[in-house]
Amino acid sequence: DAMVIQNPRYQVTQFGKPVTLSCSQTLNHNVMYWYQQKSSQAPKLLFHYYDKDFNNEADTPDNFQSRRPNTSFCFLDIRSPGLGDAAMYLCATSRDRQISYNEQFFGPGTRLTVL
Amino acid sequence: GQNIDQPTEMTATEGAIVQINCTYQTSGFNGLFWYQQHAGEAPTFLSYNVLDGLEEKGRFSSFLSRSKGYSYLLLKELQMKDSASYLCAVRDRSGGATNKLIFGTGTLLAVQP
Repeated sequence: DAMVIQNPRYQVTQFGKPVTLSCSQTLNHNVMYWYQQKSSQAPKLLFHYYDKDFNNEADTPDNFQSRRPNTSFCFLDIRSPGLGDAAMYLCATSRDRQISYNEQFFGPGTRLTVL
Repeated sequence: GQNIDQPTEMTATEGAIVQINCTYQTSGFNGLFWYQQHAGEAPTFLSYNVLDGLEEKGRFSSFLSRSKGYSYLLLKELQMKDSASYLCAVRDRSGGATNKLIFGTGTLLAVQP
């Protein structure tokens, strides 16, 4: 089945140690998104790629970076994780962003713990 | 600015009907989505409204009034598996990217026997 896959599902890292979360999709969608969701809070968009075009949200800290080497894969890099970065990280895709009806498909998420 | 409000928690009885409200303020409204999210899992798409009125999909219906900045999700014949968080999300085009979603904090629904 076509889907959005995130690995790992659970990631533990140490304070200040770089970590990379991965997302892959078999939907062949043009747009890939990364959200951060803290406990009992709304998912917060960090950035998105429209094809190879990177779009950063104004309030996303510089500590968060992303790479999209090809259509199928997108990575979230946290250069120096702090305790406040512990959260669920959700990857989502959509077919396009110019079409009015365009739902986003979410992966299962990676829960990041920072020790 | 952008603001989405939903009740934090609701409780309902199995077999009953529940309505979850969402009010929003946004400068570039371009559609409203409802997602279901079980604990520890990803959000899954439930419904989409861009025009005023009611959209029905099985046990789930969603209503939109753009002039009032208001939507609701109606769940009928509640089942225990409907216990989840329900997220209201508004697509905002004021930032340029037409598919940017702004999420509410979600309404945690507990279905009791």
